[in-house]
Amino acid sequence: EAQVTQNPRYLITVTGKKLTVTCSQNMNHEYMSWYRQDPGLGLRQIYYSMNVEVTDKGDVPEGYKVSRKEKRNFPLILESPSPNQTSLYFCASRVGGGGQETQYFGPGTRLLVL
Amino acid sequence: QKEVEQNSGPLSVPEGAIASLNCTYSDRGSQSFFWYRQYSGKSPELIMSIYSNGDKEDGRFTAQLNKASQYVSLLIRDSQPSDSATYLCAVNIRGRSGGSNYKLTFGKGTLLTVNP
Repeated sequence: EAQVTQNPRYLITVTGKKLTVTCSQNMNHEYMSWYRQDPGLGLRQIYYSMNVEVTDKGDVPEGYKVSRKEKRNFPLILESPSPNQTSLYFCASRVGGGGQETQYFGPGTRLLVL
Repeated sequence: QKEVEQNSGPLSVPEGAIASLNCTYSDRGSQSFFWYRQYSGKSPELIMSIYSNGDKEDGRFTAQLNKASQYVSLLIRDSQPSDSATYLCAVNIRGRSGGSNYKLTFGKGTLLTVNP
């Protein structure tokens, strides 16, 4: 089954404790991205990757890191989480090109930073 | 001007009615337009894509695109309570570097409630 998976699905942590949210896709997509979703602010892109070892900042990259060592995996790293990073996070992968890309989302990770 | 704008709603319709959801976008060069449905606490689910001016129908859903007016809409016929969700309009907008780098940009969504 074609899918995007994320782990963990729920996470409660404390300020400053490094964490990683994993993301994996089995569709051989080159493009992957991370979003956060907050009430009243909608979906905002954090980082994206156009291919292995190619990553770039999205709209709200502060406080986050990513890496893309393999095509299927795109982990999101919070080196020193803060309460304002409490949010619902979605990983996505994309197929197509030339402006006709279609994006598929993972199930989401709900993060609470105390 | 925001890149993708939607009425935030909530939009409330009775069961069996037509629900009409609207979206405008700022980039005249955009080529691809999508509607996602998102249930509370779940991930967005792609329900329609449209690339050409006019209407595209899929079951009870019809997407309408007017590039001249930079307007895209979603009609849901015979609305059901299970259609109650937030509907996100998404548009592929060219990135700052131009070229073939497109970013999928989302509106903030319209909350639809279908009353039995």
